[in-house]
Amino acid sequence: EAGVTQFPSHSVIEKGQTVTLRCDPISGHDNLYWYRRVMGKEIKFLLHFVKESKQDESGMPNNRFLAERTGGTYSTLKVQPAELEDSGVYFCASSKGFNYGYTFGSGTRLTVV
Amino acid sequence: AQSVSQHNHHVILSEAASLELGCNYSYGGTVNLFWYVQYPGQHLQLLLKYFSGDPLVKGIKGFEAEFIKSKFSFNLRKPSVQWSDTAEYFCAVNAQAGANNLFFGTGTRLTVIP
Repeated sequence: EAGVTQFPSHSVIEKGQTVTLRCDPISGHDNLYWYRRVMGKEIKFLLHFVKESKQDESGMPNNRFLAERTGGTYSTLKVQPAELEDSGVYFCASSKGFNYGYTFGSGTRLTVV
Repeated sequence: AQSVSQHNHHVILSEAASLELGCNYSYGGTVNLFWYVQYPGQHLQLLLKYFSGDPLVKGIKGFEAEFIKSKFSFNLRKPSVQWSDTAEYFCAVNAQAGANNLFFGTGTRLTVIP
């Protein structure tokens, strides 16, 4: 089966600009998660979708971040306007259910300059 | 709140050496525990997981981990490392009674010298 696909793999933008990251989960996986790793720190949870609904968005850092999953398929994560501290690697993961484990994508490395 | 500590940031070993990576978590309740690995240029992959039962868990590629509840630890071990084990290793925890999201440690970079 195809894995979790994320793009772009790398994005460099200027402070104040907008960036949209995309995640295509494995087909049939209702659960979709976004995580972020700021350099040198731990991978932190951002939010969890079940189909098109936000199950848990407790990890979203502030209202400059907007995640959507229209139709319960792919998901986007928009950062607007981007700040320097938003730089990091954004991971997406999907699963059929928690006990099945996650499958992670390769991540999008975001650099805000 | 849950948190995970991985005390070794970078470990350098020669091939055939034994490996033990430390992982401690803080949470008073029942937890699920995981080790993930990220090989250079690849995505995070699950090495092994513990939900319940035998506290000694065997994973892929010869890795194992032991859950010691009294020490809040879940250390990863491999008796003899190979150059191909060079990667970054992440310990993660999830509270069984909580949400499905994982709490990760900061990761340990392992470099195996041929």
